[in-house]
Amino acid sequence: NAGVTQTPKFRVLKTGQSMTLLCAQDMNHEYMYWYRQDPGMGLRLIHYSVGEGTTAKGEVPDGYNVSRLKKQNFLLGLESAAPSQTSVYFCASAKGVPGELFFGEGSRLTVL
Amino acid sequence: RKEVEQDPGPFNVPEGATVAFNCTYSNSASQSFFWYRQDCRKEPKLLMSVYSSGNEDGRFTAQLNRASQYISLLIRDSKLSDSATYLCVVNRGNYGQNFVFGPGTRLSVLP
Repeated sequence: NAGVTQTPKFRVLKTGQSMTLLCAQDMNHEYMYWYRQDPGMGLRLIHYSVGEGTTAKGEVPDGYNVSRLKKQNFLLGLESAAPSQTSVYFCASAKGVPGELFFGEGSRLTVL
Repeated sequence: RKEVEQDPGPFNVPEGATVAFNCTYSNSASQSFFWYRQDCRKEPKLLMSVYSSGNEDGRFTAQLNRASQYISLLIRDSKLSDSATYLCVVNRGNYGQNFVFGPGTRLSVLP
């Protein structure tokens, strides 16, 4: 019963490095999301996808790119990491909208 | 002003107390409303949906006032295990991007 799985769970980067966060869901959900959570800010939407092959910008997309080549996977890329991208990143999926969001356990990223 | 605002907290209450959380939203087009619970350093999980008529799930009662654009969550007979951050979530409509999260209110239930 995996649900939503994020990898890696923790990562430390240096400014300017690149990395990719992987989100995988096994519930056959159409909708997938990437959020970041910062103290006092609540969860903010970075990018989202309403189905395989589709992506769209959320509230805070700058500095991030995404891809959804397969229905079950949603990748979040940082091309050139900045200290402002230090955060906890959550992936979520939903069968429909509105509906329950199922979250991964989070990925804690630190950019030095 | 944030689109979804919540009591800043933290709330520190003794076991057995009744505690109420408030949430206001500014977008009158909002259609669906939820409370999520987030334990420390964990992912958010759905606690309950909020319906116009109000709804109850055991010790938890959620209410919605569309005219005042206000949502509430009442927890009765608080347990130590209720200690968490409670997130108010609003959905503006039937589009993928339309979940908006409040900043959360932290609850600590003390023995």
